[in-house]
Amino acid sequence: KQEVTQIPAALSVPEGENLVLNCSFTDSAIYNLQWFRQDPGKGLTSLLLIQSSQREQTSGRLNASLDKSSGRSTLYIAASQPGDSATYLCAVSHRGSTLGRLYFGRGTQLTVWP
Amino acid sequence: ETGVTQSPTHLIKTRGQQVTLRCSSQSGHNTVSWYQQALGQGPQFIFQYYREEENGRGNFPPRFSGLQFPNYSSELNVNALELDDSALYLCASSRTGSYNEQFFGPGTRLTVL
Repeated sequence: KQEVTQIPAALSVPEGENLVLNCSFTDSAIYNLQWFRQDPGKGLTSLLLIQSSQREQTSGRLNASLDKSSGRSTLYIAASQPGDSATYLCAVSHRGSTLGRLYFGRGTQLTVWP
Repeated sequence: ETGVTQSPTHLIKTRGQQVTLRCSSQSGHNTVSWYQQALGQGPQFIFQYYREEENGRGNFPPRFSGLQFPNYSSELNVNALELDDSALYLCASSRTGSYNEQFFGPGTRLTVL
């Protein structure tokens, strides 16, 4: 059974810092990995998707890396801003009959203060 | 391109009642999945529908059921509501052949009293 763990559970930093959020998963036979952002009480916004054959993806100030063999991914946020405050969720999917079923971690709650 | 929409936004029910939640998939998407997110937890997979058939189910009892319609919209029905069913219910849609990237709606907050 796939288990996804995210560390740290919460992070509070001043504006401008570069951040690293960590995600680990127990079954390395993944199809892809997605990073999501969730604002309080809201739905999930997809930030980055990394296919199993890729090592990293970048979007603006965000960079996500994937080391499938060790079961790890990191989300790097450059020059953090107060608007980045949210919960960041990592999720993996597998090949198989259930198309894209996601296994989630509990998330990292990020607070960026001015 | 219209994103995933869900209705209602909030809902309050009492224990033992039944509830129906609705989801409209993103344009061009043929697969819809439902997730339950309890407070402080990651979303948990309930089930998925593809071509109007259930295509996988998580560890949820049969009182959680669903439908997918020809226009790819979907319903989640929960019977005999329990207090622990209080959660944010999320719908996600995807298109086969697109690396199964999931796009989520804003969710429905269900409170069971």
